[in-house]
Amino acid sequence: AQTVTQSQPEMSVQEAETVTLSCTYDTSESDYYLFWYKQPPSRQMILVIRQEAYKQQNATENRFSVNFQKAAKSFSLKISDSQLGDAAMYFCAYLGGSQGNLIFGKGTKLSVKP
Amino acid sequence: SQTIHQWPATLVQPVGSPLSLECTVEGTSNPNLYWYRQAAGRGLQLLFYSVGIGQISSEVPQNLSASRPQDRQFILSSKKLLLSDSGFYLCAWRKRRKNTEAFFGQGTRLTVV
Repeated sequence: AQTVTQSQPEMSVQEAETVTLSCTYDTSESDYYLFWYKQPPSRQMILVIRQEAYKQQNATENRFSVNFQKAAKSFSLKISDSQLGDAAMYFCAYLGGSQGNLIFGKGTKLSVKP
Repeated sequence: SQTIHQWPATLVQPVGSPLSLECTVEGTSNPNLYWYRQAAGRGLQLLFYSVGIGQISSEVPQNLSASRPQDRQFILSSKKLLLSDSGFYLCAWRKRRKNTEAFFGQGTRLTVV
């Protein structure tokens, strides 16, 4: 069975600085997809960024980028120029190509200091 | 545009009582549907997912069950609630194409007393 591990329960960053959130996963599949979701205090789940496993190029969305290391099964999220609105729970998620189940990690709570 | 509705938003139920949470999706057809539970301060635990009417996959053995009586309707049920069933329940849908993200409902906060 696939698993997703986020080893940092909490992280803190100063406003305008850069922070990296870690995520590792375990799978025997070669075709899969990875996502980062943000959950603010409202608890609404918001997609931040996605990565297809067959693409070597790291995905980027404005201030958010990933470092996808397929061999190491690592998928970290980098937030540049952190803003107060970035404070939230961040979840890494794995979508298996064969089953359609979407598995989440336990999350990292990010605090942004002014 | 597609929308997902989940209700109720908040629910307080006594131990041993039944449960029914409903989720419906509009504006799409043949979606994959998901139920997650988020305990306080913890991650999202996948409870059930469905790829079609009457097709339910259970990820975790527990006191809960799910049903999909219609294409865009997903119901989470329990015959007798336990204290440990308390949590935040999220319904989600995604298109069948592999690279599509999931869209989530607003969630139901369930407190079993």
